[in-house]
Amino acid sequence: SAVISQKPSRDICQRGTSLTIQCQVDSQVTMMFWYRQQPGQSLTLIATANQGSEATYESGFVIDKFPISRPNLTFSTLTVSNMSPEDSSIYLCSAFGTGNEKLFFGSGTQLSVL
Amino acid sequence: DAKTTQPTSMDCAEGRAANLPCNHSTISGNEYVYWYRQIHSQGPQYIIHGLKNNETNEMASLIITEDRKSSTLILPHATLRDTAVYYCIVSPRKTNAGKSTFGDGTTLTVKP
Repeated sequence: SAVISQKPSRDICQRGTSLTIQCQVDSQVTMMFWYRQQPGQSLTLIATANQGSEATYESGFVIDKFPISRPNLTFSTLTVSNMSPEDSSIYLCSAFGTGNEKLFFGSGTQLSVL
Repeated sequence: DAKTTQPTSMDCAEGRAANLPCNHSTISGNEYVYWYRQIHSQGPQYIIHGLKNNETNEMASLIITEDRKSSTLILPHATLRDTAVYYCIVSPRKTNAGKSTFGDGTTLTVKP
């Protein structure tokens, strides 16, 4: 199994600022993903973090708003840019490992934008 | 990915079996059935998955109908800590499993 560490676990930010969320996996994984979970709702996939290249974004999400990096197999960052109150959500990192058949998730980052 | 339909909520008495149904009538031949759960304020946790045979692990059992259009997750002896939102997902196992579409899930409440 893979253990995913995510930080910060929560933050309160001002409108117009940016926050970078870090995700570290304790073993090499093939695929990493970022999800958003708005209050009281299910998970929505933001993008697939690709090692050494641009992330693959889902419909409704763009790189300018959610830039993602993945410099190696075990680390990724998601930045929420120019934040507004509508960005208040839980952001979750997940990974799908080689030889594994399931997604592992971090504990999430609870973001509140004032 | 095929879509799934789950009841919005269910209650279960502590110590009894919890049976959570899921309909996936448009499932294709290469799609697996996955179950995850999300306990409040935590990230989702993998429970079990299967293709067409029934599966059992230390957490739960998965019963898939012969036509694969529906399945049931069984928690044999539910405890209060099993209170969570349970998500049923269908997805190809290898190529696209990470891009799973999470529906609204079933909120299971285990009561004393």
